[in-house]
Amino acid sequence: ETGVTQTPRHLVMGMTNKKSLKCEQHLGHNAMYWYKQSAKKPLELMFVYSLEERVENNSVPSRFSPECPNSSHLFLHLHTLQPEDSALYLCASSQEAGGTEAFFGQGTRLTVV
Amino acid sequence: DAKTTQPPSMDCAEGRAANLPCNHSTISGNEYVYWYRQIHSQGPQYIIHGLKNNETNEMASLIITEDRKSSTLILPHATLRDTAVYYCIVGDDDKVIFGPGTSLSVIP
Repeated sequence: ETGVTQTPRHLVMGMTNKKSLKCEQHLGHNAMYWYKQSAKKPLELMFVYSLEERVENNSVPSRFSPECPNSSHLFLHLHTLQPEDSALYLCASSQEAGGTEAFFGQGTRLTVV
Repeated sequence: DAKTTQPPSMDCAEGRAANLPCNHSTISGNEYVYWYRQIHSQGPQYIIHGLKNNETNEMASLIITEDRKSSTLILPHATLRDTAVYYCIVGDDDKVIFGPGTSLSVIP
């Protein structure tokens, strides 16, 4: 256990569904991240939050909508996804945004059908 | 962001030292070198990081060249559980960005 918890671990959703991924950390970290890992591809950074403010959005389609209600929780709201969005979605946190040690959750395996 | 290059794959005999190289020739003076690994279907796991001095912890050793343009991660006694993709990244106040990494296979 890294201290970063993601739920659910697995999710299957249709293209017309709306679902949310949840990430929680009680490490006292100020920065949280969403990453996407597709098969045989390196990790792709999606969003960065620092002190609950979004500081990075790497050209992610609007069908992915992040939310950071407080420094311990991060959500990724999903709607009208495509099959190519099927991937492992990883949440991470670090003390500060940027090149400090990051702790990753186990990820949510998302399948869009 | 400084970029890193790593060999795509390596094999290592169980019980031997695994030496994973990384080139980061464009690293700037205030950027750290970080190593993570990802075992299949799990999230990345932090291993070690350093600035310019060699570092050692319970998992591995990190050797950084004097010019800081390359580094080597050393797993002193590789086990089958060390089979994973190893990522070398550099960063300071910038974000953590993973490249393709090195797929290490530890062979019995």
